[in-house]
Amino acid sequence: ETGVTQSPTHLIKTRGQQVTLRCSSQSGHNTVSWYQQALGQGPQFIFQYYREEENGRGNFPPRFSGLQFPNYSSELNVNALELDDSALYLCASSDRLAGGADTQYFGPGTRLTVL
Amino acid sequence: AQSVAQPEDQVNVAEGNPLTVKCTYSVSGNPYLFWYVQYPNRGLQFLLKYITGDNLVKGSYGFEAEFNKSQTSFHLKKPSALVSDSALYFCAVRDEASKSTFGDGTTLTVKP
Repeated sequence: ETGVTQSPTHLIKTRGQQVTLRCSSQSGHNTVSWYQQALGQGPQFIFQYYREEENGRGNFPPRFSGLQFPNYSSELNVNALELDDSALYLCASSDRLAGGADTQYFGPGTRLTVL
Repeated sequence: AQSVAQPEDQVNVAEGNPLTVKCTYSVSGNPYLFWYVQYPNRGLQFLLKYITGDNLVKGSYGFEAEFNKSQTSFHLKKPSALVSDSALYFCAVRDEASKSTFGDGTTLTVKP
């Protein structure tokens, strides 16, 4: 059984650019959630994908968008990057249970720096 | 709106002593509560969760947590701390729509 993997590990972009982050979910998992973790803070929920459809979204603007593929891997896209987008981006996969009781397993994260 | 509070930024304990990391929450409906640990430059590792049933939940690495509905708390505990337990601990609540809210974390330092 393989764990959750994310790529790239680190990324440096400039303001206004666009970025795509990737996540491979754990084998057997059908749900992927994305989080933003700023320095010194807890993870903030961005959105969740279940079987290729968005299944909930946090308080993030539309320039944060995502995809989930038939193999349940996922992408997070951020357009028009701002300095405040600098953070650790975490992906978590789970085998969705009714009512949100599923356990999420996190990847190691992608560290994004916006200059 | 749901929320999680971890009132202590830092907890220091001596190795071998019991430890407690505090968490209180606010959520509409039935709460699903989780504890995660994060080591430097790593993702979050799942420790334990409360869904329903017994208020005392046992998890990984000897950790346990007690759900208290009247006090809306879910404190993490361990009877005997190890130096290797030193890390950043996060409490999270999830609602029935699967939206998760995390606390800001508590840094646990266990001294030899």
